[in-house]
Amino acid sequence: DTAVSQTPKYLVTQMGNDKSIKCEQNLGHDTMYWYKQDSKKFLKIMFSYNNKELIINETVPNRFSPKSPDKAHLNLHINSLELGDSAVYFCASSQLSSGTIEQYFGPGTRLTVT
Amino acid sequence: AQSVSQHNHHVILSEAASLELGCNYSYGGTVNLFWYVQYPGQHLQLLLKYFSGDPLVKGIKGFEAEFIKSKFSFNLRKPSVQWSDTAEYFCAVNPPSTDKLIFGTGTRLQVFP
Repeated sequence: DTAVSQTPKYLVTQMGNDKSIKCEQNLGHDTMYWYKQDSKKFLKIMFSYNNKELIINETVPNRFSPKSPDKAHLNLHINSLELGDSAVYFCASSQLSSGTIEQYFGPGTRLTVT
Repeated sequence: AQSVSQHNHHVILSEAASLELGCNYSYGGTVNLFWYVQYPGQHLQLLLKYFSGDPLVKGIKGFEAEFIKSKFSFNLRKPSVQWSDTAEYFCAVNPPSTDKLIFGTGTRLQVFP
């Protein structure tokens, strides 16, 4: 059983397009995250939702808009894609209410903007 | 700026060699500490974690890490590496009063048979 799943796994698109990445977790966790991993493998948090409410919003362009329809899903929509958006985007989840920040990661979505 | 540092960017070892990867952080107060591993083309997996108690933490696949509060360090060790340990290793810190993880820049480990 996949604990944290993401779709699509690969996404190739042109500059200026709008695209979405979806994430689902079946762990019953209350908190979900989006991370961006650049070409140098540096991993940086972008957003976090706790029980569908935004709790972390790092310095991310407004073109990125997360949406959490329910606790088990966190989607990421990106408008007007730019070359610099090319990266691997990882979704993660944790159970913050249990007092632990241990995060479980999805398989990643490799986004290539041409 | 507060940060997490991994000074070894690329480590190359032969099988059976011992491994130690450094991790230092600059946050004061009580922190939670993690090591994650990312095998080629895969997602991050938790190797081990430290919240409190015994500063020597044992994780999966024979890895261990030692928390030294006075040195703000959480170094990862393995007595004898295998070819299958080839991966990227990330140290992460949960700073006090936050709900996020701050990752180090990662260490690429290559193990040759």
